[in-house]
Amino acid sequence: GAVVSQHPSRVICKSGTSVKIECRSLDFQATTMFWYRQFPKQSLMLMATSNEGSKATYEQGVEKDKFLINHASLTLSTLTVTSAHPEDSSFYICSAREPGNEQFFGPGTRLTVL
Amino acid sequence: ILNVEQSPQSLHVQEGDSTNFTCSFPSSNFYALHWYRWETAKSPEALFVMTLNGDEKKKGRISATLNTKEGYSYLYIKGSQPEDSATYLCAMDRQAGTALIFGKGTTLSVSS
Repeated sequence: GAVVSQHPSRVICKSGTSVKIECRSLDFQATTMFWYRQFPKQSLMLMATSNEGSKATYEQGVEKDKFLINHASLTLSTLTVTSAHPEDSSFYICSAREPGNEQFFGPGTRLTVL
Repeated sequence: ILNVEQSPQSLHVQEGDSTNFTCSFPSSNFYALHWYRWETAKSPEALFVMTLNGDEKKKGRISATLNTKEGYSYLYIKGSQPEDSATYLCAMDRQAGTALIFGKGTTLSVSS
């Protein structure tokens, strides 16, 4: 199957700093990528849909100014958590959808904000 | 609110046991049902995608069925092995190309 990479896999930062997470589709072009977040013992919850060359679509309750998404190319989407706070500590995972409808996931990023 | 429910939340079986998990989903606005296998520190691995009522898919010792009318899918593992230990996620598609709606997963632990 297709490969999606995500970097970094783990990050620990101080409160107030910004953290950028990269999601790359390595062997296919993804016009759409998705960003999910998972809190302990909860489902993967969709945060936003990232569309190449246009603004991301955010789910209700997700602050677009706090979670900046950029999808500048067909193989890269970035999620920046701005001015991170301890409540932003979570597991963030991206996915990319092939034109044939299969959806592939990155390995995720564990963010811990101190 | 669309909810995808999975049960049990976790289970522990002995090597060689066969087991099954359940995924229930709203039968309205259904497009496809996905099963993923997720090992710690790795990407979720796609197992099956099913769209039609009555679909059955099989990959080695793992198989899945789909009932779209009543809104459930079963995942079966025959002769469980320690390497089957993982979290199994099911997710629903409302329409082609959209994000998936996930259940919380079933975490399977297989002892040798």
